[in-house]
Amino acid sequence: NAGVMQNPRHLVRRRGQEARLRCSPMKGHSHVYWYRQLPEEGLKFMVYLQKENIIDESGMPKERFSAEFPKEGPSILRIQQVVRGDSAAYFCASSLNSGTVSSPNEKLFFGSGTQLSVL
Amino acid sequence: GDSVTQMEGPVTLSEEAFLTINCTYTATGYPSLFWYVQYPGEGLQLLLKATKADDKGSNKGFEATYRKETTSFHLEKGSVQVSDSAVYFCALGDDKIIFGKGTRLHILP
Repeated sequence: NAGVMQNPRHLVRRRGQEARLRCSPMKGHSHVYWYRQLPEEGLKFMVYLQKENIIDESGMPKERFSAEFPKEGPSILRIQQVVRGDSAAYFCASSLNSGTVSSPNEKLFFGSGTQLSVL
Repeated sequence: GDSVTQMEGPVTLSEEAFLTINCTYTATGYPSLFWYVQYPGEGLQLLLKATKADDKGSNKGFEATYRKETTSFHLEKGSVQVSDSAVYFCALGDDKIIFGKGTRLHILP
């Protein structure tokens, strides 16, 4: 039973290009979370999606960033017109259901991340 | 808003030494508290958790107690091993999780 799969592991882009990061959740999981880890900082929540719906995007920058989780296929985090400040590790996590006290976040499984480098 | 503060690393210890990584939090209400571990080249894994005051989470020899009065959730282990070398993240939340900056731990043989 494969875990959360993220690809690519490393992505290099020049300023102004687009970056597309993919996340395949664990089999049967319908909830996906994206986090960003900047150098020397903790993980920052970006967006929470269920199949075909964005539930919480309060951590997403207002411009250039978008995310989707289609009915079929992986979740995609898309960054348009990348800038050097977008360089970071982007982590995806999935869960069977949403985290609540009665369904604790121990069911949250993380991928190995995508390291984005913007030249 | 809610936040987590943990001690800065790197922390370097000899094998079999006692480990403490401090973590304090600010939150409205009483969220669940977690410690996650990230081994080199891997994603985060849940190490232990506590869901209410005075709960003690434990796993693999690590322990942490939910202290409401001091708003702390310090991670401890009595005798560390080289294989414990990793980055440790303190976190809180019952919906989306808020993470601390992480503490890198090096254990020397």
